[in-house]
Amino acid sequence: EAQVTQNPRYLITVTGKKLTVTCSQNMNHEYMSWYRQDPGLGLRQIYYSMNVEVTDKGDVPEGYKVSRKEKRNFPLILESPSPNQTSLYFCASSWTSGRISNEQFFGPGTRLTVL
Amino acid sequence: GDSVTQMEGPVTLSEEAFLTINCTYTATGYPSLFWYVQYPGEGLQLLLKATKADDKGSNKGFEATYRKETTSFHLEKGSVQVSDSAVYFCALSVNDMRFGAGTRLTVKP
Repeated sequence: EAQVTQNPRYLITVTGKKLTVTCSQNMNHEYMSWYRQDPGLGLRQIYYSMNVEVTDKGDVPEGYKVSRKEKRNFPLILESPSPNQTSLYFCASSWTSGRISNEQFFGPGTRLTVL
Repeated sequence: GDSVTQMEGPVTLSEEAFLTINCTYTATGYPSLFWYVQYPGEGLQLLLKATKADDKGSNKGFEATYRKETTSFHLEKGSVQVSDSAVYFCALSVNDMRFGAGTRLTVKP
């Protein structure tokens, strides 16, 4: 089954404790992206990757890191989480960035709470 | 920059009512337009899309027409069901995907 998976689905942590949210897709997509969803703000892009070893900042990259060592995986790293990073996070993938008609496939989301 | 503005919710309708969710966009190029739907506890999934002016996207009884002259892509459904309760996102893509803030729809029996 074609899918994007994320882990964990729920996470409660404390300020400053490093964490990683994993994302994996099995569709051989070149493009992957991370979004955060906050009430009234819709989805905002954190980082994206056009292919292996190619990553770039989205609209709200502060406090986050990513890596793309393999095509299928795109982990999101919070080196020192803060309460303002409490949010719902989505990973997405698609065939190629910049192709205007390409649908993005979304993971189920990770709900993060930073105390 | 490119952006999407969609009507604020929440929207509450009775079953079988007519639905319209307004969406307008600003784009420097020639965007593709999308409607995504998010059911409770799930990620977003594509509902429909249109890639050029005057195209009509349709799926599951929902429709939206790409109107270049009014820069709009309004979502419509003639008769909503309780199972349509979800959050709906309008989005555009030129070089990257931009989402609206989302509109929560609740359909009551």
